Amino acid sequence: AQSVSQHNHHVILSEAASLELGCNYSYGGTVNLFWYVQYPGQHLQLLLKYFSGDPLVKGIKGFEAEFIKSKFSFNLRKPSVQWSDTAEYFCAVTQNRDDKIIFGKGTRLHILP
Amino acid sequence: DAGVTQSPTHLIKTRGQQVTLRCSPKSGHDTVSWYQQALGQGPQFIFQYYEEEERQRGNFPDRFSGHQFPNYSSELNVNALLLGDSALYLCASSLWQGNEKLFFGSGTQLSVL
Repeated sequence: AQSVSQHNHHVILSEAASLELGCNYSYGGTVNLFWYVQYPGQHLQLLLKYFSGDPLVKGIKGFEAEFIKSKFSFNLRKPSVQWSDTAEYFCAVTQNRDDKIIFGKGTRLHILP
Repeated sequence: DAGVTQSPTHLIKTRGQQVTLRCSPKSGHDTVSWYQQALGQGPQFIFQYYEEEERQRGNFPDRFSGHQFPNYSSELNVNALLLGDSALYLCASSLWQGNEKLFFGSGTQLSVL
């Protein structure tokens, strides 16, 4: 069965620091990968996704993620975080466009102003 | 353009009772998925409905059941509530075979006492 592991449960950074959130998945076949974000008091929303093509994916608000197939990883990065990036971030995986999406446990990111 | 709407926003029940949660998908969407998000965990897939039929199901007992109506709205029913059913229940909508564009509602917070 597919699973998703997010290494960091809680991350605290100062503004302008660089961010990398780890995500590993366990499935050997073709996968589609996502990062979702949940800002305080808001609903889950898609940050970026990888389905095929360039393994370096750019999303909204300056976020990017790199799919490394050999490492079963899809880490999220941002070169310089802002206070408004404070949120919970979820990595997710699915096999197909009509398959259920499996989420990781999430990483709470807190940015100090 | 209305997004995904869920009702009620909060609900308190006692053990053994039954509960019904409701979801209206984003305009134009025909597929509804339900997720359970326990405290400190990522969303877990319950089931998905398309054309008024359950198409996929996660690892949840038969106490969890659902329905989709001709207007694509959906209900989640949970019978014989347990304390462990306390969670945020999320509804997500998409087009069929289009989980790359999944839109989430804000959820129903269910507390079982």
